[in-house]
Amino acid sequence: EVQLVESGGGLVQPGRSLRLSCAASGFTFDDYAMHWVRQAPGKGLEWVSGISWNSGSIGYADSVKGRFTISRDNAKNSLYLQMNSLRAEDTALYYCAKDRAGYSSSGSYFDYWGQGTLVTVSS
Amino acid sequence: QSVLTQPPSVSGAPGQRVTISCTGSSSNIGAGYDVHWYQQLPGTAPKLLIYGNSNRPSGVPDRFSGSKSGTSASLAITGLQAEDEADYYCQSYDSSLSGSGVVFGGGTKLTVL
Repeated sequence: EVQLVESGGGLVQPGRSLRLSCAASGFTFDDYAMHWVRQAPGKGLEWVSGISWNSGSIGYADSVKGRFTISRDNAKNSLYLQMNSLRAEDTALYYCAKDRAGYSSSGSYFDYWGQGTLVTVSS
Repeated sequence: QSVLTQPPSVSGAPGQRVTISCTGSSSNIGAGYDVHWYQQLPGTAPKLLIYGNSNRPSGVPDRFSGSKSGTSASLAITGLQAEDEADYYCQSYDSSLSGSGVVFGGGTKLTVL
């Protein structure tokens, strides 16, 4: 059974940093691209960042580019999101999602999602 | 404003058929990119419902179906059940965007009357 378990969320002041983690199990982690998707309270889904199976291809939404860094450790079956210079508008539930393939492509979709970790940016 | 446009809400009585539209443009759906659909039950994570325009993952009832034509796609739900009450999101790829090009619709709240 595929499981994605996010952690690391919490309350943080504007301008500070936070690191999210996603522990994966139930599939061959290093065969698939992985993504972070967020959902602000009461709002829709927003793709944040994605990383290919071998970390060779990485992408970010314009809203987080230069502030967030995605990474993965295939030996630990884990995905990470380092979030710096956090803003109030980054407040959201952050989901870890598995791509259906090893690279993010025009045909990408997310076949499994974690339950999310809540990030609240407030003073 | 989402790149893919969905109606904010739709409703239907049990047993009825409802459709949810997802309207894009020539840089996404109209360019031939696939559309995928997700169901988000209250308080839970999104779940893949339809992939590749019209394919159902294992375990998804055949009451759910997807289609695509031109710059739009649709999700149809027949034999509506109370448990179908949820938010539904379409997702595709947009060639004009930086990053991965992944785009979501704004979501549609389905109410079962």
